Amino acid sequence: AQTVTQSQPEMSVQEAETVTLSCTYDTSESDYYLFWYKQPPSRQMILVIRQEAYKQQNATENRFSVNFQKAAKSFSLKISDSQLGDAAMYFCAYRRALSGGSNYKLTFGKGTLLTVNP
Amino acid sequence: NAGVTQTPKFQVLKTGQSMTLQCAQDMNHEYMSWYRQDPGMGLRLIHYSVGAGITDQGEVPNGYNVSRSTTEDFPLRLLSAAPSQTSVYFCASKKGGSNQPQHFGDGTRLSIL
Repeated sequence: AQTVTQSQPEMSVQEAETVTLSCTYDTSESDYYLFWYKQPPSRQMILVIRQEAYKQQNATENRFSVNFQKAAKSFSLKISDSQLGDAAMYFCAYRRALSGGSNYKLTFGKGTLLTVNP
Repeated sequence: NAGVTQTPKFQVLKTGQSMTLQCAQDMNHEYMSWYRQDPGMGLRLIHYSVGAGITDQGEVPNGYNVSRSTTEDFPLRLLSAAPSQTSVYFCASKKGGSNQPQHFGDGTRLSIL
């Protein structure tokens, strides 16, 4: 079974600084998707960024980028120029790349609570 | 677009009561699912459906029933609520195809006394 581990329960960063959130995963699959979700106090689950395992290039979305190390099974999220609105719980998640119902299950880590200090 | 709509947003129940959490999506998505989120844990899959009339169990199905009579709706039933079912529940939907993203509802906070 796939597992996702986030080893940092809490992180803090100063406004305008850069922070990196860690995620490792375990799978025997060769193709899969990895995600970072943001959950602010409003409780919404917001997709921040997605990485497809067969793509070597790291995904980037504005101030958010990932460092995907497939051999090490590592998928970290870097937030540049941190803003107060980035404060939230961040979840790393894994999904198989195959089609079909049972393959659409998302396996989540336990989350990292990010605080942004003004 | 309404997206994925969950009702109610909050609910308090007594042990042994029954309850149905509603989930509706207006995107004609084939795949729908229910997750629960407990403190200190990520979301865990309860049940999922790949289309009307088809449902299957996820990681933590005990104590929950689901049905899918239409493409739009995927209700989650607690037949006899237990304190261990106190949680935040999320419904999600997704178009078929491996590269399609999941869309989450805003969640239902359920407390069982």
